[in-house]
Amino acid sequence: DAGVIQSPRHEVTEMGQEVTLRCKPISGHDYLFWYRQTMMRGLELLIYFNNNVPIDDSGMPEDRFSAKMPNASFSTLKIQPSEPRDSAVYFCASSPRHGGNQPQHFGDGTRLSIL
Amino acid sequence: AQRVTQPEKLLSVFKGAPVELKCNYSYSGSPELFWYVQYSRQRLQLLLRHISRESIKGFTADLNKGETSFHLKKPFAQEEDSAMYYCALRTGGGADGLTFGKGTHLIIQP
Repeated sequence: DAGVIQSPRHEVTEMGQEVTLRCKPISGHDYLFWYRQTMMRGLELLIYFNNNVPIDDSGMPEDRFSAKMPNASFSTLKIQPSEPRDSAVYFCASSPRHGGNQPQHFGDGTRLSIL
Repeated sequence: AQRVTQPEKLLSVFKGAPVELKCNYSYSGSPELFWYVQYSRQRLQLLLRHISRESIKGFTADLNKGETSFHLKKPFAQEEDSAMYYCALRTGGGADGLTFGKGTHLIIQP
């Protein structure tokens, strides 16, 4: 198993542009999480899904951010329009159906730079 | 709201010396605590979890509810232990998202 796969690994774009980050969870995992990592705030949960349904999006910073999970093997995180303060590393993680203390498996992250 | 505090951004110790990475949390319920590690150029991965009471790569961590702490310890540090270490808390009994500390960069000097 290749683990959680994220693309692209790096993204550099100008402010105002739409940015789409992609994630493929581990097959069979029911939960998918999006995190953002910055120097100032560390790792923060943005949103998570269970069986493709968003459960908690309270961490999504603004309406400019949206996330979807159209099927069990794919999720996107979109920023439109992007701003320089959105520059961060965005991680996707997945975990099996809950059974208490199931670990989350992380992807390599997408390093996003908004100029 | 829950919070995880790792007071040390950077910790440098010599090879063979004991290591303790501090983690304190604030949460009114029964937390689930984890330590995640990120080695250079690798992805974040689970190191250990409190419910398992296990020792992984010589590391242990004990949940102290009285002190609301979950410090990570190893009696003899090895150079390959150099990495970023994150303490994390989950509040729900299921698969709720994790609340992370800001991490401690552990450097083991030869």
